[in-house]
Amino acid sequence: GAVVSQHPSWVICKSGTSVKIECRSLDFQATTMFWYRQFPKQSLMLMATSNEGSKATYEQGVEKDKFLINHASLTLSTLTVTSAHPEDSSFYICSARGSRGTEAFFGQGTRLTVV
Amino acid sequence: AQRVTQPEKLLSVFKGAPVELKCNYSYSGSPELFWYVQYSRQRLQLLLRHISRESIKGFTADLNKGETSFHLKKPFAQEEDSAMYYCALSARSWGKLQFGAGTQVVVTP
Repeated sequence: GAVVSQHPSWVICKSGTSVKIECRSLDFQATTMFWYRQFPKQSLMLMATSNEGSKATYEQGVEKDKFLINHASLTLSTLTVTSAHPEDSSFYICSARGSRGTEAFFGQGTRLTVV
Repeated sequence: AQRVTQPEKLLSVFKGAPVELKCNYSYSGSPELFWYVQYSRQRLQLLLRHISRESIKGFTADLNKGETSFHLKKPFAQEEDSAMYYCALSARSWGKLQFGAGTQVVVTP
């Protein structure tokens, strides 16, 4: 399958700072990327869907000003957690797919710890 | 509202024994159902998609629209099957996914 890479794999930041997580499709052009959040011992919850060149569509209850998503190119989407707080600590996972109707592949995830 | 339910958090089976992971869903239309697997320290990967009707690594899953179920089965579990398994639903072909809570499978020798 295709390769999706997230960077960093883990990050620790201080409360009140912002942190950016990158999601790259390495061998295909990703027209759509999905961002999920996973709490310990819980399932993945979709945060938002982003299409290249368009504003992201956020799921109900997800603060778009808190979780900024940019999908400026066909191989890169970024999630910025602004003014992070300890409750934002979580595992963030992206997935990317090419054209509509094709399989979405998952990144390895980013562990965010806010102290 | 759409929902995916995996009632078992943990399944512990002996090697060679059959294993069945339950998945029930609620959705008003005709969704796509998937099983994803996450091995230790690895990323989530697709195991099965109901449309393809394939058998992957010995696993099969049949969509039962009457019972709104998509249970995952394997007749003879192997140690390498130990992993976290997620059932997922999409309203459209390869659209955004709604995941179940996941079932941890532990296969002991």
